[in-house]
Amino acid sequence: GAGVSQSPRYKVAKRGQDVALRCDPISGHVSLFWYQQALGQGPEFLTYFQNEAQLDKSGLPSDRFFAERPEGSVSTLKIQRTQQEDSAVYLCASSLRGGYSNQPQHFGDGTRLSIL
Amino acid sequence: AQSVAQPEDQVNVAEGNPLTVKCTYSVSGNPYLFWYVQYPNRGLQFLLKYITGDNLVKGSYGFEAEFNKSQTSFHLKKPSALVSDSALYFCAVRDIDSSNTGKLIFGQGTTLQVKP
Repeated sequence: GAGVSQSPRYKVAKRGQDVALRCDPISGHVSLFWYQQALGQGPEFLTYFQNEAQLDKSGLPSDRFFAERPEGSVSTLKIQRTQQEDSAVYLCASSLRGGYSNQPQHFGDGTRLSIL
Repeated sequence: AQSVAQPEDQVNVAEGNPLTVKCTYSVSGNPYLFWYVQYPNRGLQFLLKYITGDNLVKGSYGFEAEFNKSQTSFHLKKPSALVSDSALYFCAVRDIDSSNTGKLIFGQGTTLQVKP
């Protein structure tokens, strides 16, 4: 399809396990964002890539969170030693251009992560 | 710091009546403002944006928004609501910082309930 694709849609993990969440952005989109959406809240910024370069990781809550986009296309968000407070929906978004452009961000359907 | 506020957790309207979902913002400089809609278990769908120009912005599905600089507001409107408009609506402002990422800052969201 032509939209942003995220997998898996749902992930259940036990506390302490590592998880990896995948994002396939719209083809040709330069910018890629990860957001975290807690239940009943608006999305909050985690990290930003322009092509393969991670230019902003100021929103990552701890050093257990790691993101990469090695070839400037698919991105993976990894959470190590998961905690219950990591339970949330993780949204990926992409936009056509980089930096401070006026292009809208296009969102995937998210991965709902539940930590038991 | 940039921020947006959505003062209403929920808005109820009868089908066929006009609807308004409120948003106020606080930014330094000129704001880039967006409205997104989220259906259950789905990602955010872009509705419309204000960058510059006319204060009345038209978007998808018959929605429009009015930018008011003096009141720092960007309310979402629709002349005639449909039951299918029932969803969660988010106002967002593009962050302005030295990292130049274009990340979005979201409001808390407003649930729109349209009753037949």
